[in-house]
Amino acid sequence: QKEVEQNSGPLSVPEGAIASLNCTYSDRVSQSFFWYRQYSGKSPELIMSIYSNGDKEDGRFTAQLNKASQYVSLLIRDSQPSDSATYLCAPEATYGNNRLAFGKGNQVVVIP
Amino acid sequence: NAGVTQTPKFQVLKTGQSMTLQCAQDMNHNSMYWYRQDPGMGLRLIYYSASEGTTDKGEVPNGYNVSRLNKREFSLRLESAAPSQTSVYFCASRTNTGTYYGYTFGSGTRLTVV
Repeated sequence: QKEVEQNSGPLSVPEGAIASLNCTYSDRVSQSFFWYRQYSGKSPELIMSIYSNGDKEDGRFTAQLNKASQYVSLLIRDSQPSDSATYLCAPEATYGNNRLAFGKGNQVVVIP
Repeated sequence: NAGVTQTPKFQVLKTGQSMTLQCAQDMNHNSMYWYRQDPGMGLRLIYYSASEGTTDKGEVPNGYNVSRLNKREFSLRLESAAPSQTSVYFCASRTNTGTYYGYTFGSGTRLTVV
């Protein structure tokens, strides 16, 4: 079983719609979870972090965490063309020393 | 405040050549990391350093060595480059104390081995 799984395939959404990204992870002891946005040819940029079960909202972004189901998601409301990027789910592994494990990422394409 | 700085940004090597990728952070972070990113593979951890003087292997350490020169600098060395090491390399850092807001990444080094 892969450590971090994200939806396969690019996600196309019309401008103004909601983009929904899902992620499951296998490490039960992970306590911190991060979502990074990566534009083509650029480095990952942190957009959300979540540590407790439930929802966390920051502007147009909402992260949802369910540790019992080992599931974390990201909603992008009122999607804009500038949201077109790859989104990386990254639980923090804490056995030994802290480090991030990444999913393969979800490409989001916002259609004007 | 430059964050995490990586040099060089681009490099082409011939098979068998060696080189060192440099990384420096000015945020007084304790932990530093080297990841590689290949198409369709996501980011994979090569080596990391939880604090000055310590280093540990990550998911894909073969063919690489690292040095944590001081708290600011963490270098990655390819002793004998192979085409399979063609990739984009990212350095990152994280603080171990107090409130933190995630890992900060450098702009990357795009390495091609021919």
